[in-house]
Amino acid sequence: DAGVTQSPTHLIKTRGQHVTLRCSPISGHKSVSWYQQVLGQGPQFIFQYYEKEERGRGNFPDRFSARQFPNYSSELNVNALLLGDSALYLCASSLRAAGVSYEQYFGPGTRLTVT
Amino acid sequence: AQSVTQLDSQVPVFEEAPVELRCNYSSSVSVYLFWYVQYPNQGLQLLLKYLSGSTLVKGINGFEAEFNKSQTSFHLRKPSVHISDTAEYFCAVTNYNQGGKLIFGQGTELSVKP
Repeated sequence: DAGVTQSPTHLIKTRGQHVTLRCSPISGHKSVSWYQQVLGQGPQFIFQYYEKEERGRGNFPDRFSARQFPNYSSELNVNALLLGDSALYLCASSLRAAGVSYEQYFGPGTRLTVT
Repeated sequence: AQSVTQLDSQVPVFEEAPVELRCNYSSSVSVYLFWYVQYPNQGLQLLLKYLSGSTLVKGINGFEAEFNKSQTSFHLRKPSVHISDTAEYFCAVTNYNQGGKLIFGQGTELSVKP
């Protein structure tokens, strides 16, 4: 079975532009979470979606938004890009949003560079 | 609020030597704890997890960790490391209510030398 897939792998944007990152979860997984990993730091939680509804949001500005589609894939959108948005964006999927058997599986990430 | 502190940013070690990567957490409720490994230019791979039960948890690639509630620690150990274990290691915490929100530490860079 395929793991979590993300596209694109890399992209370069200019300040002020917007970007859309995509994620396809493992088949059967209904929850998708997004994390931002700045170079040299641990990942920081941005959003979680479960069954197409937002279940959690981290401490990120409103320039960040996301959605989940009926097939459980997800998009992360970032508007008005800043230099500080340069990071590895990780998507993780899990069977459910919470529970004792909770476990997240991460994709390879999208490396965003803002110039 | 929950938080995770990884006490060492870099750990150099020789091949076949034992290693311990230290992780302390803070939380006012019962926690779930995880160790992830990240190889260069890759995503995160789960090494092991503590959800409940036995405090000694065994994971992949010969790693194990011990949950110590009184010391709020979850240190990762391996009795004999290989060159291929060179990577960044992250400790993470969540709880039942947080579910999808993992709180990560800053990471520990393990460098295994021949």
